[in-house]
Amino acid sequence: DTGVSQDPRHKITKRGQNVTFRCDPISEHNRLYWYRQTLGQGPEFLTYFQNEAQLEKSRLLSDRFSAERPKGSFSTLEIQRTEQGDSAMYLCASSRPGRNNYGYTFGSGTRLTVV
Amino acid sequence: GQNIDQPTEMTATEGAIVQINCTYQTSGFNGLFWYQQHAGEAPTFLSYNVLDGLEEKGRFSSFLSRSKGYSYLLLKELQMKDSASYLCAVETGRRALTFGSGTRLQVQP
Repeated sequence: DTGVSQDPRHKITKRGQNVTFRCDPISEHNRLYWYRQTLGQGPEFLTYFQNEAQLEKSRLLSDRFSAERPKGSFSTLEIQRTEQGDSAMYLCASSRPGRNNYGYTFGSGTRLTVV
Repeated sequence: GQNIDQPTEMTATEGAIVQINCTYQTSGFNGLFWYQQHAGEAPTFLSYNVLDGLEEKGRFSSFLSRSKGYSYLLLKELQMKDSASYLCAVETGRRALTFGSGTRLQVQP
């Protein structure tokens, strides 16, 4: 088990372009979460999946954002028509029900810079 | 709404003890987590409290009072590598974490 993997680690894009990030959770974890973190702040919840079902989306997730988790395995987060305000660290985490209270395991994140 | 408050910055001396406080007002409560985050890295799990009282794990301890909406993280025998941000997070009814803004701890020699 290699933990939660995110790809890419860094992404620089021009304003208006579309970007897609990938997250591979821990294999036995059926819950997957996306968070966004800006400098000096804690992570903000964006959305989460249980298996392939997207169960909740934050109001932070505008219609330019879409997330998928086909087959309940990896997940992708796409941002369309990026804006400078989208610059942030995008963190993925996974967990499973009945966990032994070791919480959510986070990936190292994708740092997005919109120029 | 959700509100989690913790101090923005703290400074302590190597070898000393530091207590980082967290107060919360959330809709739903399934437990309180503390995470450590070094700059540019992922948050890593430190502790979890769901019942009132103190949980001890090596140099780190965490306390919870549900009636007061209050928790603290206690770090003993501080080391330079403990310089990091410490995040307080509450798991709410939707089974996701709501985080505070984090406390940046600077350990000085």
